[in-house]
Amino acid sequence: ETGVTQTPRHLVMGMTNKKSLKCEQHLGHNAMYWYKQSAKKPLELMFVYNFKEQTENNSVPSRFSPECPNSSHLFLHLHTLQPEDSALYLCASSQERARGAAYNEQFFGPGTRLTVL
Amino acid sequence: GESVGLHLPTLSVQEGDNSIINCAYSNSASDYFIWYKQESGKGPQFIIDIRSNMDKRQGQRVTVLLNKTVKHLSLQIAATQPGDSAVYFCAYQGTGRRALTFGSGTRLQVQP
Repeated sequence: ETGVTQTPRHLVMGMTNKKSLKCEQHLGHNAMYWYKQSAKKPLELMFVYNFKEQTENNSVPSRFSPECPNSSHLFLHLHTLQPEDSALYLCASSQERARGAAYNEQFFGPGTRLTVL
Repeated sequence: GESVGLHLPTLSVQEGDNSIINCAYSNSASDYFIWYKQESGKGPQFIIDIRSNMDKRQGQRVTVLLNKTVKHLSLQIAATQPGDSAVYFCAYQGTGRRALTFGSGTRLQVQP
């Protein structure tokens, strides 16, 4: 596997289900991100992890629970979701360098298309 | 991976023509501006970036122009090819932040 992989690619769940999205990066990066891409809004940041520590939470509802056990893996645990949570969930990773260094390109996975019934 | 459902502005060009995709931004406290390309079924892919203290940067067949006076960013694609058909997003990285803030995107359609 190369780059950033995400599983599953498609997920359909009911509002009472609990599911998890998985992301794995094979690039040796130290930062990972969850973004949401919905039908009605631009790509929006959800969470940022740097060296396994959460550094940003963009006011995401608690029904989304991220987990970063190591620098290569990122999970998004889902429970009691709403139909409006249906979207493409994208994971990304980057290699963070010193402040002021060149832009740290974020590499995206293909996403998980989530449908909440 | 496409922004299905969003009413994206669409730019339709003939193969071989040059394309210009525009983006307006509001946040002045940005270190970098970046262009991403998203093809159907895929995640966004980095094209080119420009630091906020620059006006122009060129890559392979692409040029990004930054006008901070009017807060405008553009992506120029030379000799557009069918493989360039995708949704293009501008994004910026705010000062001191790692995460990106994305625009709503422009769909580029290249007619053979």
